[in-house]
Amino acid sequence: GAGVSQSPRYKVAKRGQDVALRCDPISGHVSLFWYQQALGQGPEFLTYFQNEAQLDKSGLPSDRFFAERPEGSVSTLKIQRTQQEDSAVYLCASSFRWWGELNTEAFFGQGTRLTVV
Amino acid sequence: GDSVTQMEGPVTLSEEAFLTINCTYTATGYPSLFWYVQYPGEGLQLLLKATKADDKGSNKGFEATYRKETTSFHLEKGSVQVSDSAVYFCALSLTGNQFYFGTGTSLTVIP
Repeated sequence: GAGVSQSPRYKVAKRGQDVALRCDPISGHVSLFWYQQALGQGPEFLTYFQNEAQLDKSGLPSDRFFAERPEGSVSTLKIQRTQQEDSAVYLCASSFRWWGELNTEAFFGQGTRLTVV
Repeated sequence: GDSVTQMEGPVTLSEEAFLTINCTYTATGYPSLFWYVQYPGEGLQLLLKATKADDKGSNKGFEATYRKETTSFHLEKGSVQVSDSAVYFCALSLTGNQFYFGTGTSLTVIP
């Protein structure tokens, strides 16, 4: 596709439910990022992939959060046993540049708004 | 740690007014600096960037200069339009694999 695509756009989950959020990056993009954006805040880094390798997961807030990118393209962010504090917009971004290239421009999807009730 | 602090909003301006949104940063090394914009209902889009001190990024009439001495990257536009209404985020990146964003500044331009 022309841009980064995320689905679903909106998700309402009952507390304790597991959710899976999908990201389709721009074709050929090596790097993929997940961010969490709480209401009124800037995006906060969650995790980073280079192809299928998860090189940095330091931003994942707990072991209930898990991300994968098994074939180096589509990625899924899974949240187990959702809590109210997980309510946020989850943003995915991709870039065709490699680790350590400072001129990297990340292209963002529209995000998935997760509401835990 | 590495972080970005940007001017709190919301900001409301009349069309053709001058815009400044302040952004300062703290970083352990020499980051690249970015301004991203989020229009209503859309994803974040790169507006401009600068990769070293004294560089000026510019796009769509917006400009920002990387000032190492003041650790700043203020966004400016000489004459705003209604279509510039959006949320603006300042960000830095040290390694290219992680971006640190400010909290965002909402701009509304009224005719």
